[in-house]
Amino acid sequence: AQSVTQPDIHITVSEGASLELRCNYSYGATPYLFWYVQSPGQGLQLLLKYFSGDTLVQGIKGFEAEFKRSQSSFNLRKPSVHWSDAAEYFCAVSSGTYKYIFGTGTRLKVLA
Amino acid sequence: DAGITQSPRHKVTETGTPVTLRCHQTENHRYMYWYRQDPGHGLRLIHYSYGVKDTDKGEVSDGYSVSRSKTEDFLLTLESATSSQTSVYFCAISEGQESSETQYFGPGTRLLVL
Repeated sequence: AQSVTQPDIHITVSEGASLELRCNYSYGATPYLFWYVQSPGQGLQLLLKYFSGDTLVQGIKGFEAEFKRSQSSFNLRKPSVHWSDAAEYFCAVSSGTYKYIFGTGTRLKVLA
Repeated sequence: DAGITQSPRHKVTETGTPVTLRCHQTENHRYMYWYRQDPGHGLRLIHYSYGVKDTDKGEVSDGYSVSRSKTEDFLLTLESATSSQTSVYFCAISEGQESSETQYFGPGTRLLVL
């Protein structure tokens, strides 16, 4: 069965520091992978997605993620965090159908 | 912006009452979804629709029903609300006409069942 693990429930970084949010998945074939961001009281906004091809994908707001098949990971990175990046981040996996499996989320706090 | 609106945005109701949440989309997407979001669980699929009058269950469908009489509207009904259905409910669509397309989400409805 497909599953997604986000090992870090909370992460705190200082503004201007680099960020890496971890996502590990379990799936037999090449998955479709997504990162979404949710600001308080808002819906989920798509940051980036991986379907195939280049394993390093660029997204909005300066985020990128790298698909590593050997590690079953799709970690999200940003070189310099801004205070406005404080939010909750969700990783999701799909087999290429309607069925998305979401991780439980990582809440990011940014210190001024 | 995928043109998704949800109503109401907030609702407080009492145990045992029926509740209907509405999702409206403006871009003729074929696939629509209802999820619930709870702390520690991420998002879980309740029901989905693949066309007018075509719906199917997701992983947490007990206590919920859905209807889609028009392409643009997807209704979620809690037949007899319970406190365990207190949650944030999100509607989503698949971009385009295929289920493999990326899902985009509405702003959510926060439901409190007393």
